[in-house]
Amino acid sequence: EVQLVESGGGLVQPGRSLKLSCLASGFTFSNYGMNWIRQAPGKGLEWVASISSSSSYIYYADTVKGRFTISRDNAKNTLYLQMTSLRSEDTALYYCARRGSSYRGYYFDYWGQGVMVTVSS
Amino acid sequence: DIQMTQSPASLSASLGETISIECRASEDIYSNLAWYQQKSGKSPQLLIYAANRLQDGVPSRFSGSGSGTQYSLKISGMQPEDEGDYFCLQGSKFPPTFGSGTKLEIK
Repeated sequence: EVQLVESGGGLVQPGRSLKLSCLASGFTFSNYGMNWIRQAPGKGLEWVASISSSSSYIYYADTVKGRFTISRDNAKNTLYLQMTSLRSEDTALYYCARRGSSYRGYYFDYWGQGVMVTVSS
Repeated sequence: DIQMTQSPASLSASLGETISIECRASEDIYSNLAWYQQKSGKSPQLLIYAANRLQDGVPSRFSGSGSGTQYSLKISGMQPEDEGDYFCLQGSKFPPTFGSGTKLEIK
């Protein structure tokens, strides 16, 4: 069974940093692209960042580019999101999600339960 | 970025009723469209990918159709467990973008 378990969220002051983790199990982690997606309270979904299976390709949303860093450790089956210079508008539930591989288009087939990040003084 | 316009924003349906939710893309997305269901307090679950392919384990009452810029999700025979939020995702061009969501309730 595919499982994605996020951790590392919490309350942080504006301008500070936080690092999220996502532990994967139930599949060969090193074979899949991974993503972070967020959902602000009462709002829709926003893709944040993606990383290919070997970390060769990395992409960011314009809203986080230069502040967030996505990375992965295939030996530890873990995806990371380092967030710096946090702003109130980064307050959201952050999901890690696996890229689907049944066809060439981009979609997410499994999502974690999410971890809450609250940026407030 | 490709904009995804989803409608309706909310929908109330009777048990057994057939309903449709629409997503319109701001440009051709070549069937690179997925549909998700999100129940209250839960993470999104994939229903449909590539516009019309049913994800394993998803009931056959869910179906997707469309091409170009216009896509729809149909539920043939509303069930109590179908209550929740539904949203579309385009994966044709980066960044992937989501529809604003449809809240589906039982009448």
